[in-house]
Amino acid sequence: EVQLVESGGGLVQPGSPLKLSCAASGFTFSSNWLNWIRQAPGKGLEWVASINPDGSSTYYPDTVKGRFVVSKDNAKNTGYLQMNNLRSEDTAMYYCARTDDYYSGDGYVMDAWGQGASVTVSS
Amino acid sequence: DVVLTQTPVAQPVTLGDQASISCRSSQSLVHSNGNTYLEWYLQKPGQSPQLLIYKVSNRFSGVPDRFIGSGSGSDFTLKISRVEPEDLGVYYCFQATHDPNTFGAGTKLELK
Repeated sequence: EVQLVESGGGLVQPGSPLKLSCAASGFTFSSNWLNWIRQAPGKGLEWVASINPDGSSTYYPDTVKGRFVVSKDNAKNTGYLQMNNLRSEDTAMYYCARTDDYYSGDGYVMDAWGQGASVTVSS
Repeated sequence: DVVLTQTPVAQPVTLGDQASISCRSSQSLVHSNGNTYLEWYLQKPGQSPQLLIYKVSNRFSGVPDRFIGSGSGSDFTLKISRVEPEDLGVYYCFQATHDPNTFGAGTKLELK
């Protein structure tokens, strides 16, 4: 069974760092893109980061570029989102989602999502 | 950034009815390679989003054939024929043609 499990969320002060993890199982992690999507309380979805299967290329929107770093350790079947200089507007549920490389020419095709990790940035 | 405008914001339905959700883009979603990267996701209450449709009209594996995606250019529609209880939730369109990728604000499919 394909499974993604996020961890590492919590309450942090503005300006603090936080690192989320996404543990993958049930599929070949090294053949998949890893994406991070967030959802502020009561709001819609926002894409925040993606990394290609071998970890050589990363992508971010301007809202997090320079503050967030996405990475993956294929040997550990785990992806990460390092978030630095956190702001109150980063408060959200953070989901990791995979894109099977089979679909890499078809868009993001995020067919499996974790249950989310809650991040609250507040003083 | 590309803005995806979804209408209606909420769609009250009776079970067994057809529902239709519109997603209009602020610019064409046709990529330079000729593909149109428009996807649809459903977030059921208390759950993570799930993939329904990719590249406008391709139903993902296991998605019932009552979900039909259509459209072109900057105008897209998701139709759900014969709405069932498990179809209720918030539907999001998502574009991956232009950087950065963006989601629509969502359409809530709810019971009348």
